[in-house]
Order: sequence, then C-alpha cells, then structure tokens
Amino acid sequence: QVQVVQSGAEVKKPGASVKVSCKASGYTFTSYYLHWVRQAPGQGLEWMGLFNPGTGTTHYAQKFQGRVTMTRDTSTSTVYMELSSLKSEDTAVYYCAGADGGLDYWGQGTLVTVSS
Amino acid sequence: SYELTQPPSVSVSPGQTATITCSGDAFPNQYAYWYQQKPGQAPVLLIYKDSERPSGIPERFSGSGPGTTVTLTISGVQAEDEADYYCQSADNSGSWVFGGGTKLTVL
Repeated sequence: QVQVVQSGAEVKKPGASVKVSCKASGYTFTSYYLHWVRQAPGQGLEWMGLFNPGTGTTHYAQKFQGRVTMTRDTSTSTVYMELSSLKSEDTAVYYCAGADGGLDYWGQGTLVTVSS
Repeated sequence: SYELTQPPSVSVSPGQTATITCSGDAFPNQYAYWYQQKPGQAPVLLIYKDSERPSGIPERFSGSGPGTTVTLTISGVQAEDEADYYCQSADNSGSWVFGGGTKLTVL
C-alpha cells in the first residue's frame, strides 16, 4: 500500500533553515506529484508548493517564493522541502502529500518549532 | 491572491444533514476537493473533482459542483463526523489553495 513517511520534529532558531524529508513507498515514485502543506497551531491548511518527482520541476506558492526549495533523491524515493530564513510564524506542522487527483496520500506531519 | 470562503462553523444533530459551502472566483472553471481533519491527525481526502468519492469514503459524504459555490453534504451525520472540513481548488497559474476550514459540531 502507498505510504508517505516524514522525518521527525525539528527545533530551529530564527534565521535558520530546516529541511524536512518525505519518503514514498508502495508505488512508482514518479507516479504522483508531491505537495507540501503546512498548518500553524490552531490554524487552517496552507499550500506551499508542489514537486514533480519525475522531472524535478517545482511550483511554489507566491508567499514562499525565494524561501522554499523542494528537491528529490530518486535512489531513495525521497523528496525534501527546505525552508530558509525561519521566523516564529513558521512554527507549524508540515505535511507532504501525494496527489492522484486530490491530495490522496498524506504523511504523518513534521512539527517545526522556531524559537530563540 | 485567490481565496476560497467557507463558513467557520456548522452545527447539526445526529442523523440530520450537514451542508458546508465553499465559494471562490475560480469556480466553476476549476475542480473542488474536500478534506476531513480530526484533531491531531493528517487530513483525509473525502471528495475529488467536485463530486467523486475515493474508495473507502462512506456514501453519506457527497459533493456538488460545478458552480460558483460548491457544497459538501454529509447525510445522516454521525458523532464521528465531528471534525474540521476544508475545501481546496487551484487558480489558473496552477497554485493550489485551501479554504479557511469549517468546524462541524455534532450536537
């Protein structure tokens, strides 16, 4: 069955960067686009961007342009999302999700805490 | 920027029908998707392409569209349906967007 497993929680200081991994299994890695969505405490879902594992192309939300980078390691079927210049407002649970139509396959989420 | 508007909250008694709306300028040109999220859990896809239901999603969940406002309907609401519900679509540039979410309370 399809599984999406993310890396563990992170604590970062303001100004630092964080890199979250998302490992896909149970399907051909290139079959589904992978999206990143975040959720601040008590808030709604916020779309950050998508990654095409087949071509390596990306499409980022305007809000995160210049601060987010999505990459892949095809040998391990893993996609990475790096967010730089972290601020306290970036404290959130970050999800990756595989899209087969909608966002069908979600990871368990990675809590990123930004605190001095 | 493109926005999707949902009511913040909806309340319904068990066995009744809950209706959650989502409005946005991109409708009806773009499909609508609906997700359910329970506390501490990742969202779950309920409806895709306006009205299609993934396998494993109960028939009591249905979506209507296209139209300038799309709707998620939950028939015969059960206590376990208490959750946050989000609509999602895309703009013409390919950027996806979520509605603000609707908290469904089962009285």
